Amino acid sequence: ETGVTQTPRHLVMGMTNKKSLKCEQHLGHNAMYWYKQSAKKPLELMFVYNFKEQTENNSVPSRFSPECPNSSHLFLHLHTLQPEDSALYLCASSQDPGRPTDTQYFGPGTRLTVL
Amino acid sequence: GQNIDQPTEMTATEGAIVQINCTYQTSGFNGLFWYQQHAGEAPTFLSYNVLDGLEEKGRFSSFLSRSKGYSYLLLKELQMKDSASYLCAVLDSNYQLIWGAGTKLIIKP
Repeated sequence: ETGVTQTPRHLVMGMTNKKSLKCEQHLGHNAMYWYKQSAKKPLELMFVYNFKEQTENNSVPSRFSPECPNSSHLFLHLHTLQPEDSALYLCASSQDPGRPTDTQYFGPGTRLTVL
Repeated sequence: GQNIDQPTEMTATEGAIVQINCTYQTSGFNGLFWYQQHAGEAPTFLSYNVLDGLEEKGRFSSFLSRSKGYSYLLLKELQMKDSASYLCAVLDSNYQLIWGAGTKLIIKP
């Protein structure tokens, strides 16, 4: 079961396009995350929002722009991407990032292909 | 630097037992997580260990040795549905999750 949904599930875009990924969590959590997952590589944390405030930005290129209008919704705005940005983009949420036992719950991801 | 190592791929037989190892070197330690990820699906939480020893949950068990920087996930009575990737992640001193690249487990009849 998952309380985290992501749309679209698949996205193909050209390098000059602008698109947005959407994530919604129905778990009442306070924190939301964007990850990039490339084949045979560890999950890469991109952004963290806690109580709608961005707390992490792990040197992500400016062509990725996050937006968190409230604790339940998270967007990732994409523009002028590169082919190497093709990957699975995962959204996650958790209750309290400051607690060791805090567990992240993931959405199914958006499979992004940049042509 | 911080590093999590786990085998890239393993193969096992239905009904058998398999152990997936994870070794880590991190800045601090606040616990270790195992997640399961079926192809094209969300990673789902399996277990959390912060104290040394074995934690058992049905067919799945997870072991931790903090002194050795080592954990394993033990899957018993393997079923075809256990074919998936298994991700190891360590919570470091900054409460950030450091992820391994995952182990793809293939179950054969």
